[in-house]
Amino acid sequence: DTGVSQDPRHKITKRGQNVTFRCDPISEHNRLYWYRQTLGQGPEFLTYFQNEAQLEKSRLLSDRFSAERPKGSFSTLEIQRTEQGDSAMYLCASSFTGVGSPLHFGNGTRLTVT
Amino acid sequence: QKEVEQNSGPLSVPEGAIASLNCTYSDRGSQSFFWYRQYSGKSPELIMFIYSNGDKEDGRFTAQLNKASQYVSLLIRDSQPSDSATYLCAVAISGFQKLVFGTGTRLLVSP
Repeated sequence: DTGVSQDPRHKITKRGQNVTFRCDPISEHNRLYWYRQTLGQGPEFLTYFQNEAQLEKSRLLSDRFSAERPKGSFSTLEIQRTEQGDSAMYLCASSFTGVGSPLHFGNGTRLTVT
Repeated sequence: QKEVEQNSGPLSVPEGAIASLNCTYSDRGSQSFFWYRQYSGKSPELIMFIYSNGDKEDGRFTAQLNKASQYVSLLIRDSQPSDSATYLCAVAISGFQKLVFGTGTRLLVSP
């Protein structure tokens, strides 16, 4: 399977704990995106990388969130001091370079903060 | 005004009918438009994309774009119960290298 891979699929954590998610994009794609989706809403943009450079970060993104893509391949998204409001599906997607290139999503990581 | 707007539905159609899903967007400079299908608990799956005014057909799916009216639609012919899902409209907002999604329209196809 050469699609976008995310790990873990599910994560349950207690409020205040840190969590880290991993995303492996489609190997030919140099863009990698993180989105968040809550029930009844569309995916909400968090950040994106072109190769290893983080080019845009949502203004809605708290300082508790950080993302890296150290070698331009896989990416990690860390949430520090989790809050119940962080409970959501975290989606990773990848694409080729170019405005309007279709995004291909992974299966997502469902985070539940208790 | 939201950047991408969709009716949340649900839109109910009988099996074999044509389902028509609509989306409006606010940025007149947008150039690229996408439809994703999302089953409950799953991630979005790309169905179609369209860049030019007019229609684009792929099997039972037709995407229609009217840039003057800032309107994009998805038609599903011969709807099947397996088409029951949420359909997300996404727009590449001009100047930004990302897609902005609507809230999605839930489609229910009854046997």
